Amino acid sequence: DQQVKQNSPSLSVQEGRISILNCDYTNSMFDYFLWYKKYPAEGPTFLISISSIKDKNEDGRFTVFLNKSAKHLSLHIVPSQPGDSAVYFCAATQETSGSRLTFGEGTQLTVNP
Amino acid sequence: DSGVTQTPKHLITATGQRVTLRCSPRSGDLSVYWYQQSLDQGLQFLIQYYNGEERAKGNILERFSAQQFPDLHSELNLSSLELGDSALYFCASSDPGPGRRDTQYFGPGTRLTVL
Repeated sequence: DQQVKQNSPSLSVQEGRISILNCDYTNSMFDYFLWYKKYPAEGPTFLISISSIKDKNEDGRFTVFLNKSAKHLSLHIVPSQPGDSAVYFCAATQETSGSRLTFGEGTQLTVNP
Repeated sequence: DSGVTQTPKHLITATGQRVTLRCSPRSGDLSVYWYQQSLDQGLQFLIQYYNGEERAKGNILERFSAQQFPDLHSELNLSSLELGDSALYFCASSDPGPGRRDTQYFGPGTRLTVL
């Protein structure tokens, strides 16, 4: 039972344009969401998070949007840079399960110069 | 650099053997988490320790066990290894105090290959 899904295994964008990565979840108890970036041979690196009481959180070039009614969140990167090329994981957690993270399968983002 | 260290970086062993993976959390973090990433699956939560005590358990096999020591480092023990245990094992740490939701910071991982 995949509770967090990233339906696009890959995404390719041009440098300077916007990258939009999507994530859907099924568990309505999830109340905190995070995005991680992962380069090969490294551990996931935290990017940005959002609580279910908000619908948007922004940090520099990264913005996460949460649509609770649709159980959908998205990560916007603007402008995209070649160094952003990595695998992006969406993760979710619920207070009643402690802090364990449930991850999506990841989306490989490639930003072309 | 997340501040979480894991050793060894790579481990190659044979079926039926036992290995120990080690994790040192970020300074001050009381919680340690273990995750497994295999080829056909995403990152799967295994187990969490908080200040030396087990706090949450995921789909961790009975052949696997973990502990957190007084100095807060943690070890993941994998025994009777099978080919399917080949994976990346990540440790993460955070300091989720009561009522708080802290970000988990991940180590670089240990790549386990079972031959």
